[in-house]
Amino acid sequence: EAQVTQNPRYLITVTGKKLTVTCSQNMNHEYMSWYRQDPGLGLRQIYYSMNVEVTDKGDVPEGYKVSRKEKRNFPLILESPSPNQTSLYFCASSLKASGIGEDEQFFGPGTRLTVL
Amino acid sequence: AQSVSQHNHHVILSEAASLELGCNYSYGGTVNLFWYVQYPGQHLQLLLKYFSGDPLVKGIKGFEAEFIKSKFSFNLRKPSVQWSDTAEYFCSISSGSARQLTFGSGTQLTVLP
Repeated sequence: EAQVTQNPRYLITVTGKKLTVTCSQNMNHEYMSWYRQDPGLGLRQIYYSMNVEVTDKGDVPEGYKVSRKEKRNFPLILESPSPNQTSLYFCASSLKASGIGEDEQFFGPGTRLTVL
Repeated sequence: AQSVSQHNHHVILSEAASLELGCNYSYGGTVNLFWYVQYPGQHLQLLLKYFSGDPLVKGIKGFEAEFIKSKFSFNLRKPSVQWSDTAEYFCSISSGSARQLTFGSGTQLTVLP
């Protein structure tokens, strides 16, 4: 089944404790992206990747890191989480980076992160 | 920079009522337009999309949207809503060369049985 998976689905952590949220897609998509969803703000893009080893900042990159060593994986790293990073996070992918304007994005199930 | 506005934050309708959710965008050039839906506890799914051609676009589950270029709008419509349409709806845009998809803040639709 074609899908985007994320792990963990739920995570409660404390300020300053490094964490990684994994994202994997099995559709051979070039483009991958991370969003955070907050009430009243919709989805805001954190980072995106056009292909392996090619990443770029979205609208709200502060406090986050990403890597794209393999085409299928795009982990989101919080080196020192803070309470304002408590949010619902979605990973997404689409077929071609060059066609992002036209390609549907496929979303993962979401990771609900709470930072105490 | 591109931006998207959804003016209705929460809409409450009874079953069989007609629906129209507003979406306005800001961008000077050619855009591609999307509506995504998020059912309770689920991830976002594509409802419909517009790239070019007929400005009236039909999507899944009886939804449609009309692109009015002069008004920078892409409103979502459904003639008769069902309880199962209760969800949050997001309008989004992407310009042809952009690498980002910009979302509106979302509209929560509640359909009363």
